Amino acid sequence: DQQVKQNSPSLSVQEGRISILNCDYTNSMFDYFLWYKKYPAEGPTFLISISSIKDKNEDGRFTVFLNKSAKHLSLHIVPSQPGDSAVYFCAAKYGSNYKLTFGKGTLLTVNP
Amino acid sequence: SQTIHQWPATLVQPVGSPLSLECTVEGTSNPNLYWYRQAAGRGLQLLFYSVGIGQISSEVPQNLSASRPQDRQFILSSKKLLLSDSGFYLCAWSVESGTETQYFGPGTRLLVL
Repeated sequence: DQQVKQNSPSLSVQEGRISILNCDYTNSMFDYFLWYKKYPAEGPTFLISISSIKDKNEDGRFTVFLNKSAKHLSLHIVPSQPGDSAVYFCAAKYGSNYKLTFGKGTLLTVNP
Repeated sequence: SQTIHQWPATLVQPVGSPLSLECTVEGTSNPNLYWYRQAAGRGLQLLFYSVGIGQISSEVPQNLSASRPQDRQFILSSKKLLLSDSGFYLCAWSVESGTETQYFGPGTRLLVL
């Protein structure tokens, strides 16, 4: 049972435009969500997170939106840069549980 | 600042051989430590986590084991590797409370032949 789903395996965007990466979840107990960025042969790098008490969190070019009723979150990158090309993972957890449940990732390619 | 190290970076092992992967964290005390595996085309799967020395919790029954001999050292082991153990192994840490973000090491790519 895949509790965190990233239905788009890949996304291609032009430099300077907006990248929107989507993530859906099924477990209503999830209350903390994170986005990680991963380059090949490297560990994931934390990007941004959001608690379920918020619906938006912004950090520079990165904004995460959370729609609890739809069990959906998205990561917006504006403007997109070639260096943003990587695999992006959505992850979720609940309460004091230590486990992060990850989606399968979306490969973002930003074309110059 | 905190730093997490993993070694080796790459490992090729024959089936049936033992395994030992090491992870160390610097710049923090009493971290929670985690071992994840990323198989080809899949997301990250939590294998083990530890909230203190000698305390190990297993998430997935498998051919692997973990140990935490020191506060900032986490070891992933196997007595006999299987082909299905191939993958990218990641160590991560978080602050003691366990409610905060997890930060990942550079990973070890393991190929079992």
